[in-house]
Amino acid sequence: EPEVTQTPSHQVTQMGQEVILRCVPISNHLYFYWYRQILGQKVEFLVSFYNNEISEKSEIFDDQFSVERPDGSNFTLKIRSTKLEDSAMYFCASSSTLNQPQHFGDGTRLSIL
Amino acid sequence: RKEVEQDPGPFNVPEGATVAFNCTYSNSASQSFFWYRQDCRKEPKLLMSVYSSGNEDGRFTAQLNRASQYISLLIRDSKLSDSATYLCVVNMRTGNQFYFGTGTSLTVIP
Repeated sequence: EPEVTQTPSHQVTQMGQEVILRCVPISNHLYFYWYRQILGQKVEFLVSFYNNEISEKSEIFDDQFSVERPDGSNFTLKIRSTKLEDSAMYFCASSSTLNQPQHFGDGTRLSIL
Repeated sequence: RKEVEQDPGPFNVPEGATVAFNCTYSNSASQSFFWYRQDCRKEPKLLMSVYSSGNEDGRFTAQLNRASQYISLLIRDSKLSDSATYLCVVNMRTGNQFYFGTGTSLTVIP
């Protein structure tokens, strides 16, 4: 069964550094998403991406965040100048069409020191 | 009012029991509804979509009540492997932004 893959599984970074989290969505999917989950809290929507542009973003997704689809397979989340509160699990997801179930990768655990 | 609300539980039930979870949502224009399960420190995994007419998948039954703006999940004949957190997911506004509930924790006891 096709799956969403994410790398790295764990990223440890000093506060103030930039990080790039990588995702390879399911190949025939058109909609891509990033979520985060702070330990012990709920899954929070960050951004959705379709047709090479952001379609929706939440209040969390401020100027320090950006997304990119640099080629036909990767979908990246960049966090500039990381803060301690950015420590969380970041999940990438994709879906075939709008309103269809999203399939999640197994996440990147980001730890900011 | 939160976009999606769930009773966090925990629900502790014996094997073989029937258990039901409810979830309420705030936006009457919401179009898509799902139940996911999440095991500790793992990614959410789709359990089932929720359709207007209600739907069943084996021991799991999902229902939607648009008038009262809630969805439900019924699990029959609980198994130990059903122990997990169950997440209610609803789309909002234009349909490309999904909101998760905080999850309901279920533990099935031998």
